[in-house]
Amino acid sequence: QSVLTQPPSVSGAPGQRVTISCTGSSSDIGAGYDVHWYQQLPGTAPKLLIYGNSNRPSGVPDRFSGSKSGTSASLAITGLQAEDEANYYCQSYDSRLRGWVFGVGTKLTVL
Amino acid sequence: QVQLVESGGGVVQPGRSLRLSCAASGFTLSNYAMHWVRQALGKGLEWVAVISFDGRNKYYADSVKGRFTISRDTSKNTMYLEMNSLRAEDTAVYYCARVYYYESSPDAFDIWGQGTMVTVS
Repeated sequence: QSVLTQPPSVSGAPGQRVTISCTGSSSDIGAGYDVHWYQQLPGTAPKLLIYGNSNRPSGVPDRFSGSKSGTSASLAITGLQAEDEANYYCQSYDSRLRGWVFGVGTKLTVL
Repeated sequence: QVQLVESGGGVVQPGRSLRLSCAASGFTLSNYAMHWVRQALGKGLEWVAVISFDGRNKYYADSVKGRFTISRDTSKNTMYLEMNSLRAEDTAVYYCARVYYYESSPDAFDIWGQGTMVTVS
């Protein structure tokens, strides 16, 4: 069961900017644990998009950015492209559950 | 080429067992902590288990604790997930994932396998 809350869907036109929120609690994001973001294209494995709240692994375009504040985090995508259409998941750690936790996922539709 | 390849999935009756394998290539498994993550069809990601880089520490999600066992064979550069007393709710694609080390926590996962499907029915 997901303990990190994400909107089920977001959408935007090509070239626009969208943000995806990830809301946790005092036992996960609010406890100081970092947030990571993954992109999952249909039928494929997840891909690490952002680690440590705001860092991009090599090869990830700078159109993708992340931030964290308090018990929440956000993923921003600028200059939307058709290939960005995917599911996006946030991930952190929950000290109460003593395990790694994911958000329920957000489906991004490029109009 | 750094790669993870899962195998061992299939259709199994409730209450039976199955062992999944995750073969690593392009890197040495014993240098990394490794995780299993699963995804039911059309659903989100669920963390299952982790084994530390030295194999000494293993942790499980409450949903599988006492039924699943994570292990590895360094000579084969392969990780395993032994699944016992399987239930319908264990039906999912199972991914193995490598930890991405950076200066803080928690673990991020930078290399994922293609997944192997487990159907309990």
